[in-house]
Amino acid sequence: KNEVEQSPQNLTAQEGEFITINCSYSVGISALHWLQQHPGGGIVSLFMLSSGKKKHGRLIATINIQEKHSSLHITASHPRDSAVYICAVLPELIFGTGTRLQVFP
Amino acid sequence: ETGVTQTPRHLVMGMTNKKSLKCEQHLGHNAMYWYKQSAKKPLELMFVYSLEERVENNSVPSRFSPECPNSSHLFLHLHTLQPEDSALYLCASSPGTSGDSYNEQFFGPGTRLTVL
Repeated sequence: KNEVEQSPQNLTAQEGEFITINCSYSVGISALHWLQQHPGGGIVSLFMLSSGKKKHGRLIATINIQEKHSSLHITASHPRDSAVYICAVLPELIFGTGTRLQVFP
Repeated sequence: ETGVTQTPRHLVMGMTNKKSLKCEQHLGHNAMYWYKQSAKKPLELMFVYSLEERVENNSVPSRFSPECPNSSHLFLHLHTLQPEDSALYLCASSPGTSGDSYNEQFFGPGTRLTVL
């Protein structure tokens, strides 16, 4: 069993749909990092959170430390949101395998 | 240039070659990282440098040799690699290594390495 697991592995959606990506972990953490990786490899930091909830534009990230679980939500999804979404836990920098999201017009 | 840059973007090498990957960060950060991303696998942390001192080496084979001459530059020297070393090699930097906000990772575009 991986220390950081993401679900689903693959996700397709129609433009406008509400998206949820989940990340569960089994190790002690100080923070959790959500990242976005576009085709070609570039990785962008979305959120770093250690409790509660953060919002940036159409993206919302939540974390429940007791349940060892975090979710990334995308409201009003758009084709440009198509990417691989990766969670990582700190301080050990252990990464999940990613969730591949495709949003169709 | 801004952010984190990596060169070359693509590299093809034979198993007997010696090559180096270069990473440069223009963010004034104190920590730099090398990651390996293989197909269908999570990112694997290879090396961490903080203030030019190596602080972590995750049991990486000696055919990979990092060098951090200053806090803005990081190299990964490669020699006698194996085909299974073919992967995307990503460099990242962060403001520091302790404290949540100091660990936020800023990634370069990666070097796609193919070992023949």
